[in-house]
Amino acid sequence: QQPVQSPQAVILREGEDAVINCSSSKALYSVHWYRQKHGEAPVFLMILLKGGEQKGHDKISASFNEKKQQSSLYLTASQLSYSGTYFCGTETTSGTYKYIFGTGTRLKVLA
Amino acid sequence: DAGVIQSPRHEVTEMGQEVTLRCKPISGHDYLFWYRQTMMRGLELLIYFNNNVPIDDSGMPEDRFSAKMPNASFSTLKIQPSEPRDSAVYFCASRDRGIQYFGPGTRLLVL
Repeated sequence: QQPVQSPQAVILREGEDAVINCSSSKALYSVHWYRQKHGEAPVFLMILLKGGEQKGHDKISASFNEKKQQSSLYLTASQLSYSGTYFCGTETTSGTYKYIFGTGTRLKVLA
Repeated sequence: DAGVIQSPRHEVTEMGQEVTLRCKPISGHDYLFWYRQTMMRGLELLIYFNNNVPIDDSGMPEDRFSAKMPNASFSTLKIQPSEPRDSAVYFCASRDRGIQYFGPGTRLLVL
């Protein structure tokens, strides 16, 4: 079953923050975050493994709550380049590398 | 490295015709994935290979779809016969250390 992402869409001004959530009905082993710009392929952002860790680079970070089967992506001080559709990819069993991608969140950053 | 290479980039065909999509993964990557992306269904995993062996093809929609990986540097996804509902963007991705690298995709339109 496809993980549900919220919100479905969000519009921001440059410099504003955003949070994108990914919820699964199944227990998760890992969560991956990707960003896809219009007409392009998805590009990897980060991976979070079971253990409730939080990761980040630059102004983008993410957390993984395995008990709640949820992950959140945090975009801080958004830039125009952050615009695109964000997908979470979930893996329910270690080692299968079978990722089920979420419903997607469209993010638009305005100048 | 050139990244994942897919061909053709665009394909327009008529219903009933055979379609073959091609993928060259990044050298050294031992996993290869085929995805289909549509507005209605999002990003769906069709099949994936490990060391050229199909591991999970449960996402392949029908017997009209088949995929092969004759060697580590080449894979094909074939649709025979094609139908209008097969119209989508088909992505190939290869994996290294948990990260999936997507190709540019093949935009397929079946008339």
